[in-house]
Amino acid sequence: AQSVAQPEDQVNVAEGNPLTVKCTYSVSGNPYLFWYVQYPNRGLQFLLKYITGDNLVKGSYGFEAEFNKSQTSFHLKKPSALVSDSALYFCARNDYKLSFGAGTTVTVRA
Amino acid sequence: DAGVIQSPRHEVTEMGQEVTLRCKPISGHNSLFWYRQTMMRGLELLIYFNNNVPIDDSGMPEDRFSAKMPNASFSTLKIQPSEPRDSAVYFCASSLDRVETQYFGPGTRLLVL
Repeated sequence: AQSVAQPEDQVNVAEGNPLTVKCTYSVSGNPYLFWYVQYPNRGLQFLLKYITGDNLVKGSYGFEAEFNKSQTSFHLKKPSALVSDSALYFCARNDYKLSFGAGTTVTVRA
Repeated sequence: DAGVIQSPRHEVTEMGQEVTLRCKPISGHNSLFWYRQTMMRGLELLIYFNNNVPIDDSGMPEDRFSAKMPNASFSTLKIQPSEPRDSAVYFCASSLDRVETQYFGPGTRLLVL
């Protein structure tokens, strides 16, 4: 079974609008969940992670994510998107090795 | 810190040739990972080292692929002989520990003709 799933291949939003990128995880053990972003022709950059503790995790570039155990979700959010947020976003689960979702392409239009 | 360093950044070779990809992890990190990214399969873990010892190589496609980590500051991924289906972006990542945040290098874009 897939460790994490990203149900949307693409997300399109207007600059200034809220941005949400969805991720769900499989129910087994205590999940260590991560979000990474990949800009064109670049490596993956770490955004944030949930290990334990507060369900609302704040990360880089104004992003945050909420760990929801009842819905087995870990959606990435940003209150006000920027054109520069356009990139490929990956959710991942770390069970000593990272299992990545398929990725969601975010396009923020000016 | 310079981050994870990979070389070369781009490699174009002909089928049958040997390809060697190199990685220098972040100093102090004791876990190193090699990943491959393709459009069809997404991001896949190839092999994982802890304290220079290969722990899990179940993701290595076949015997043509081999990886070494002779010391804490250097690792190689070798493909011999290379095939067109090996064309992909290969990433190296390192972390303080196996469940800690992994930091990725810029990747090596490999094209096998």
